Amino acid sequence: LAKTTQPISMDSYEGQEVNITCSHNNIATNDYITWYQQFPSQGPRFIIQGYKTKVTNEVASLFIPADRKSSTLSLPRVSLSDTAVYYCLVGVGYSSASKIIFGSGTRLSIRP
Amino acid sequence: GAGVSQTPSNKVTEKGKYVELRCDPISGHTALYWYRQSLGQGPEFLIYFQGTGAADDSGLPNDRFFAVRPEGSVSTLKIQRTERGDSAVYLCASSLAVGGPQHFGDGTRLSIL
Repeated sequence: LAKTTQPISMDSYEGQEVNITCSHNNIATNDYITWYQQFPSQGPRFIIQGYKTKVTNEVASLFIPADRKSSTLSLPRVSLSDTAVYYCLVGVGYSSASKIIFGSGTRLSIRP
Repeated sequence: GAGVSQTPSNKVTEKGKYVELRCDPISGHTALYWYRQSLGQGPEFLIYFQGTGAADDSGLPNDRFFAVRPEGSVSTLKIQRTERGDSAVYLCASSLAVGGPQHFGDGTRLSIL
């Protein structure tokens, strides 16, 4: 049963790079790692998904070491609008029935 | 394009009543998920459908909770004999296939008085 652990909160400043790490020691072979962003009174919004090594899209990068027991979401040059809660999700591999478990989330606050 | 739509956006009812929460997924998405989120907590998985069938309902807290997706599109989450502890935001998400990125609605805020 994959369970995730994230820092409860983080603070940073506009223009900085922010890295949020998620631990998932019991990740299953078929599990993917997905990160979501959530603003108040809205549903989570997909940021990025990966299985191993590194994935990059237009908004973030995801780094996954070889043992896959952790992952790091990297947000380049954050702005005030990046203030939100970030969730690491492990589960639902494409061919598995592993349980879907959101972490407790990391509350990211960006200051001017 | 249209995203995931949930209705109603807010529902207030009395303890013991029956409620239905509706989710309209993105057209063509075969997987549909229900979550429950309490204040300050991450979404708690309830159930997910692959097509019309419930592929995993292990997150439903008890037999008062039931969900259907009869035609593989719209889904309804049904809660019988509501209790105050059922108060939460109920989120629905859909994905093109199981395991893919999930697209969430903005939820139904359920308040049991």
